[in-house]
Amino acid sequence: AQSVTQLGSHVSVSEGALVLLRCNYSSSVPPYLFWYVQYPNQGLQLLLKYTTGATLVKGINGFEAEFKKSETSFHLTKPSAHMSDAAEYFCAVGRNTGFQKLVFGTGTRLLVSP
Amino acid sequence: GAGVSQTPSNKVTEKGKYVELRCDPISGHTALYWYRQSLGQGPEFLIYFQGTGAADDSGLPNDRFFAVRPEGSVSTLKIQRTERGDSAVYLCASSFSGDSYNEQFFGPGTRLTVL
Repeated sequence: AQSVTQLGSHVSVSEGALVLLRCNYSSSVPPYLFWYVQYPNQGLQLLLKYTTGATLVKGINGFEAEFKKSETSFHLTKPSAHMSDAAEYFCAVGRNTGFQKLVFGTGTRLLVSP
Repeated sequence: GAGVSQTPSNKVTEKGKYVELRCDPISGHTALYWYRQSLGQGPEFLIYFQGTGAADDSGLPNDRFFAVRPEGSVSTLKIQRTERGDSAVYLCASSFSGDSYNEQFFGPGTRLTVL
């Protein structure tokens, strides 16, 4: 079985500040890990994913995440927040074989103030 | 655009009625997924199609829910005897194939409200 915990339903930062969104997962098999962003009235958009290999993954819009197996974590970071980053962010875990049956966390809403 | 489209964008119905939600995947994508996102929650898997067949329907909550994909492209999610608890955003996603490394592309969703 797989599950995801996202700590903090809301995170507030100032424009230009570091963004850190936390994600911890549980998986009985080596996981694939994903971060999606959801803007109002839009579909989920993939930010980045970890499958195998390098544990530091870079994605779109300056975001990156690091897979830490020992901590079962996949936290999302961005060095400097922009107003346009305000959205809902979802962490998801999936399998490394078969079709991709994603299990999502409950999401974290990122608020960016000027 | 060439993304995943879903219709209608909003659907309001009365308890006990039947509804159909439509998903048009990206052309050429053989894999199609339905998820349900309740208020304040992340999306939850409902069903996966590979081609025309439902390869995994383990997420369908009960037998009031049914989905089809008769020609391996458009899919319809059907809900009979709707209940207030069915109110949610229903998301559709497609991917090039069902392999685990393929990105799922999501549509904007259909917001279902059962009064």
